Amino acid sequence: DQQVKQNSPSLSVQEGRISILNCDYTNSMFDYFLWYKKYPAEGPTFLISISSIKDKNEDGRFTVFLNKSAKHLSLHIVPSQPGDSAVYFCAGTQGGSEKLVFGKGTKLTVNP
Amino acid sequence: DAMVIQNPRYQVTQFGKPVTLSCSQTLNHNVMYWYQQKSSQAPKLLFHYYDKDFNNEADTPDNFQSRRPNTSFCFLDIRSPGLGDAAMYLCATSRGTWGPTDTQYFGPGTRLTVL
Repeated sequence: DQQVKQNSPSLSVQEGRISILNCDYTNSMFDYFLWYKKYPAEGPTFLISISSIKDKNEDGRFTVFLNKSAKHLSLHIVPSQPGDSAVYFCAGTQGGSEKLVFGKGTKLTVNP
Repeated sequence: DAMVIQNPRYQVTQFGKPVTLSCSQTLNHNVMYWYQQKSSQAPKLLFHYYDKDFNNEADTPDNFQSRRPNTSFCFLDIRSPGLGDAAMYLCATSRGTWGPTDTQYFGPGTRLTVL
């Protein structure tokens, strides 16, 4: 039973364009969502998060949008850079819990 | 200035032969986690320690055990590895405030191969 789903295993975009990574969830108890980024041979690193009481959070080139009614969130990267090439994991958590529930990840490739 | 260190990075063991994976941290965080990530799957939480308090996930097999002798170190013991236990094992830490800013910091992982 996957509570967090990232249905696109991979995404390829051109440098300078927008990258949009999508994530769906089924657990309506999640009240916080996070994106982690993972380079090969490294552990995931925290990128950006959003509370369920918000619909948008922006940090530089990265923006996360949350649509609670659709149980959907997306990560926008504008403009995309080759250094953004990595695997991006979406995760949800509930009630201040320590437990993160991850999706399978989407591998982003940004072509020069 | 590595913060979460995992040793070894690659571990090969034989079917049924006990194996121990190591994690250490320089962040002085209260919480240490162990995740299992199989190929093309989501990282899955096995258990975590809040200080010395051990918290096991309900679906973690008994074959997996953990020890935390002090704040800095945490070990994952696999008592009788099966072929299905081949995976990347990720260690993570957090302060344990459970708030929105309580980010988890991950180590690079140990890739376990079972022959």
